[in-house]
Parts: sequence; structure tokens; C-alpha cells
Amino acid sequence: AQSVTQLDSHVSVSEGTPVLLRCNYSSSYSPSLFWYVQHPNKGLQLLLKYTSAATLVKGINGFEAEFKKSETSFHLTKPSAHMSDAAEYFCVVSDLRAGNNRKLIWGLGTSLAVNP
Amino acid sequence: GAGVSQSPSNKVTEKGKDVELRCDPISGHTALYWYRQSLGQGLEFLIYFQGNSAPDKSGLPSDRFSAERTGGSVSTLTIQRTQQEDSAVYLCATRTTGELFFGEGSRLTVL
Repeated sequence: AQSVTQLDSHVSVSEGTPVLLRCNYSSSYSPSLFWYVQHPNKGLQLLLKYTSAATLVKGINGFEAEFKKSETSFHLTKPSAHMSDAAEYFCVVSDLRAGNNRKLIWGLGTSLAVNP
Repeated sequence: GAGVSQSPSNKVTEKGKDVELRCDPISGHTALYWYRQSLGQGLEFLIYFQGNSAPDKSGLPSDRFSAERTGGSVSTLTIQRTQQEDSAVYLCATRTTGELFFGEGSRLTVL
């Protein structure tokens, strides 16, 4: 069975410092992994996705994530936080074999606060 | 339009009333999903439409919930006899292959 665990429900960083949002997954097959961001009162937006190509994935707004199969992790990072990064972040795992995205499993989200 | 459009953006209703939430997908996107996002919870899958196939309704929480998709385009999610626990943001997402594109959601508040 697939599952995804976001290890922190809330993360607070200072502007200009690194961001680390942690995600661990469990999947019986080769997964696709995604990070989505949701700003207050806005829709969900795809930050980046891993689909069995390069293990280090670069996304929008300076974010990147590294797929580590041995650790079953897909942590999201950014070298320097900006105030506009304050949002809710969701880690998502999908079973490639399902083929229709119905098997998308969503984490509970991590709320990122950026302090001036 | 360029993106997934949902209406209304906000809906406040009284317990026991029926509500309809609308989703206009991106043109040409054959797959359409409804999700529910409750406060402090992750996204909960509700229903999935793919082309002319029978929809996957396995995520609907009760028989008060129903959805239809007319002509493979616009979809309506209907909640009958609303309850306070139905209060949430209802998200519609569509895709062709790969990435899901989400609307901004309809926030439902049941008093």
C-alpha cells in the first residue's frame, strides 16, 4: 500500500535562511512524486515532480527536491527563503502503474512560515 | 479559459439546504477530479471522471453527495441536505496526461 508522511506540520524559518520540508513515502512500485504549494486563498500549484528521470528535481521559485530511494524520501529544499514562500506545501505520491492518477496519495501538508 | 474555473468561490448555507458547486475544466482535458480539503486535513478524493467512462465514485462520503459531468466538459458537485461536517474547500482538478491542474476551489460553510 502506498502512503506519504510529511514529517512536520509546521515549519518556521527566517527570511534568507534555507528551507527544508520533509516527506517520506511508502510505495510498492516505482512511484511518481510531486510537491504542490497552496498560497492562502489560492489554488494548488505544482512545484515540481519526479517521474523516474533525474533524482534531483528542480522546480519553480527556486525549490528543488531529491528522490532518495534508499531512504524513501523526497524532501523539498530551497537555499534562501523569501517572504512570498509562506504557504502550505503538499507531498504527493502516485503509483505509475495505476496510470490514471486516481491513486494519488496526499500528505497532510506542511505550513511554512517565513519571518522577516 | 486558460485554467480550471470553479464557482462559487465562497458559499455559506444553512444546515439541511442543498448546494451545487461547478467546475469548468481546461478545454480538452478529459480527466476531471473532485477533492475535498477540510481544515487541518490532507486532500480527500471524492470522484473521478474520465471521458465517457463510468465515473469512479468510490470517494464520495455519503449518498448525499453526487456529481455529474455533462458532455465531457462542465462538472457539477451536488451536496444534498448539507451538514456542518460538509464545511470544507472543494477542489476540482483536470488533466490530459500527467500533471493535474487545480481550480482555486469553492469554500463551503454550513451553519
